[in-house]
Amino acid sequence: ILNVEQSPQSLHVQEGDSTNFTCSFPSSNFYALHWYRWETAKSPEALFVMTLNGDEKKKGRISATLNTKEGYSYLYIKGSQPEDSATYLCALGGYKLSFGAGTTVTVRA
Amino acid sequence: DTAVSQTPKYLVTQMGNDKSIKCEQNLGHDTMYWYKQDSKKFLKIMFSYNNKELIINETVPNRFSPKSPDKAHLNLHINSLELGDSAVYFCASSQGVSGNTGELFFGEGSRLTVL
Repeated sequence: ILNVEQSPQSLHVQEGDSTNFTCSFPSSNFYALHWYRWETAKSPEALFVMTLNGDEKKKGRISATLNTKEGYSYLYIKGSQPEDSATYLCALGGYKLSFGAGTTVTVRA
Repeated sequence: DTAVSQTPKYLVTQMGNDKSIKCEQNLGHDTMYWYKQDSKKFLKIMFSYNNKELIINETVPNRFSPKSPDKAHLNLHINSLELGDSAVYFCASSQGVSGNTGELFFGEGSRLTVL
């Protein structure tokens, strides 16, 4: 069982502020690390798939970094907007994709 | 066009009944999945098919039986429904298996309520 942990479980951020949160995973036998955004009443949508240590990916105001040696990835949201409110899931690839419980972000206007 | 579509979106049924959820993807992907969202909102893999072949079969009661008539379809049949089967079931697809770089594309989910 691959133990993927995300912290914090939830956070509130003021509109315009930046924030970041963490995904931790076992560093051995790494294949890939996925990030998904899951808005309420919708289905999860892929943000990034990262495979190499030191990878940095960016999509608009959202970016992610990956450290496979120490087993963590950070997701950053710059200048948060209300539409960024969602649960952000990370998932570790391997025999199967193992999801963390997510970090729920609420952006206050 | 919806890339991954599931039907029905909502299903309310009595204990002991048999029901099916259907999933279709028009992305040309070769791998499809069923995930269950548990009470703690975790997404847990149930089954995965690659080119119609079962490649992941988690510890799921054998009342759950997936069927993939072709690589664009993956259906889930549940026999003798129990209260604990109430959940949201998500279908997904990817190009290649999920351990690699193939991102998952999810359907909108099917909310099953067993009374």
